Amino acid sequence: NAGVMQNPRHLVRRRGQEARLRCSPMKGHSHVYWYRQLPEEGLKFMVYLQKENIIDESGMPKERFSAEFPKEGPSILRIQQVVRGDSAAYFCASSPGSGAEAFFGQGTRLTVV
Amino acid sequence: AQTVTQSQPEMSVQEAETVTLSCTYDTSENNYYLFWYKQPPSRQMILVIRQEAYKQQNATENRFSVNFQKAAKSFSLKISDSQLGDTAMYFCAEGGGSQGNLIFGKGTKLSVKP
Repeated sequence: NAGVMQNPRHLVRRRGQEARLRCSPMKGHSHVYWYRQLPEEGLKFMVYLQKENIIDESGMPKERFSAEFPKEGPSILRIQQVVRGDSAAYFCASSPGSGAEAFFGQGTRLTVV
Repeated sequence: AQTVTQSQPEMSVQEAETVTLSCTYDTSENNYYLFWYKQPPSRQMILVIRQEAYKQQNATENRFSVNFQKAAKSFSLKISDSQLGDTAMYFCAEGGGSQGNLIFGKGTKLSVKP
């Protein structure tokens, strides 16, 4: 059973471009969470999704950020028109349900130049 | 609002000794969980230990144990017989209630010295 897979591991984008971060949860997990980690900071919750539904997006910036978890395929975190302040490590976690252990991917480090 | 506070930005300990990392939290949830995660330089988030709030007994995983004081909303991590491989950032987190998302503290950077 493969762990949570995130790709790419590293992503470099120029200001104004789009960034797409992918997360494949562990087999059998239907809950996906995205977190952002700024340098020297803890992880900050962004969005919680179940298959085809956004359950809680209270941590998502109101503009330029969106997330989806389609019926088939990985969960996608999309950042449009990236700015330098978007540079961070983005982590995905999956779990089989609320309260269960969340397993984290290795993260995607986004660098905006 | 849910908050998690780690008051020790950095700590160091000699190999084989014991160290305790502090964590306090605030939540309005009745049913919640508390976690300690380890993040080595590889950036991988590794679950160290998990405590269900409704359980009074402190969780233990080998050299790692917690001191859970529910009334004080305190959840400290004790690492016994520290090893060089324990060097990492340690994050305390609360969550798993009605929504399941985790609230993290800012972390404690632990250095184990030979």
